[in-house]
Amino acid sequence: QVQLQQWGAGLLNPSETLSLTCAVYGGSLSGHYWSWIRQSPGKGLEWIGEIDHTGSTNYKPSLKSRVTISIDTSKSQFSLKLSSVTAADTAVYYCARHCTGFHDNVRWFDPWGQGTRVTVSS
Amino acid sequence: SSKLTQDPVVSVALGQTVRIICQGDSLRSYYPSWYRQKPGQAPSLVIYGQNNRPSGIPDRFSGSIIGNTASLTISGTQAEDEADYYCASRDNSGDLPDVVFGGGTKLTVL
Repeated sequence: QVQLQQWGAGLLNPSETLSLTCAVYGGSLSGHYWSWIRQSPGKGLEWIGEIDHTGSTNYKPSLKSRVTISIDTSKSQFSLKLSSVTAADTAVYYCARHCTGFHDNVRWFDPWGQGTRVTVSS
Repeated sequence: SSKLTQDPVVSVALGQTVRIICQGDSLRSYYPSWYRQKPGQAPSLVIYGQNNRPSGIPDRFSGSIIGNTASLTISGTQAEDEADYYCASRDNSGDLPDVVFGGGTKLTVL
């Protein structure tokens, strides 16, 4: 079964760039989108964006100007960069596989990475 | 973008049936997916599509949808079902594809 393992810097200063990587084990990158999702302290979940094995991306409109998601198929890894971070970007960041059913209107996230806590503070 | 609305807190007596509601316009176009999150853990999938359970999820979990309202029903609720539950769906209301999550429902088992 597919497993995701993620890592990256956990403490940033304001204005720096957040950088996280997620490795995919036990499955191919093809056929799915690979997403980043975050959860601010005590709050709900927010989708950030996604990428497929060809490098095609979709980003949350409100974050689009600061987000870059890339993929390295040779390493079965995909990465998130979020520029110009502020305290509002403090959150636990998750990577997840975004699956699509037989029909395009059926979608789900499974599995999820273990999460990386990122704190933005001066 | 659209929003998905959930009741913040729901409680249920041990062994009883509980329904967790998710409402939003995006549900008229896309089926929801449902996630369970226990403290300190990553969310995990419990229901997707019309009413599909991933392997390992007991059949006391079920999903349904009518119009813009989706429901996650837990029958014979167990103590280990106490968790936060989130719904999510694709959203095509804007110029760009988006994904929206509900604010989450904290389920307390009494």
